Amino acid sequence: KAGVTQTPRYLIKTRGQQVTLSCSPISGHRSVSWYQQTPGQGLQFLFEYFSETQRNKGNFPGRFSGRQFSNSRSEMNVSTLELGDSALYLCASSPTTLAEYGYTFGSGTRLTVV
Amino acid sequence: SQQGEEDPQALSIQEGENATMNCSYKTSINNLQWYRQNSGRGLVHLILIRSNEREKHSGRLRVTLDTSKKSSSLLITASRAADTASYFCATAHQGAQKLVFGQGTRLTINP
Repeated sequence: KAGVTQTPRYLIKTRGQQVTLSCSPISGHRSVSWYQQTPGQGLQFLFEYFSETQRNKGNFPGRFSGRQFSNSRSEMNVSTLELGDSALYLCASSPTTLAEYGYTFGSGTRLTVV
Repeated sequence: SQQGEEDPQALSIQEGENATMNCSYKTSINNLQWYRQNSGRGLVHLILIRSNEREKHSGRLRVTLDTSKKSSSLLITASRAADTASYFCATAHQGAQKLVFGQGTRLTINP
């Protein structure tokens, strides 16, 4: 079956702009989690959505937001981009919430803010 | 912070040797998972061990869990060049809808 699809793969944005990243989970998976990966901070949890509801949120400013649609596809949005937002953004899908099963990750979106 | 710690941060061995990576965490878990990441790509799930399990095997991988010491280890036997990657442990803590990742171990297999 198809894996987790993240689009776009690469993105270059200017400070102050906003960006929307998309994630399509594995068919039948209802949980989508988002992570930010940087060399300095490692993998940091952004938020988790299950059945269109945000179940958990990490310690990120309000500029980071997300949503999940009825087909479980998820988007995350970053407004007023800062240089420090440059990172690899990864989404992961799982059948259920509570991290009871292994996550399936997408290939990520590499965001560069200039 | 619940974030786990891994050691070593980097490990370089010869092909055919065994590689051992360790992970420690701070608070009670439901399960602990290991992932592999190649060159900044997505993570690949390797193995999940639940809090009531002590050891699991998958092919050349062996994972142990010691909940009394709040630690886990990943052993890769008979390493291959293709095992070169970063390895992360991740913990699922009771009542939390998220995985908390460690900083990872960078493994290099030399031919």
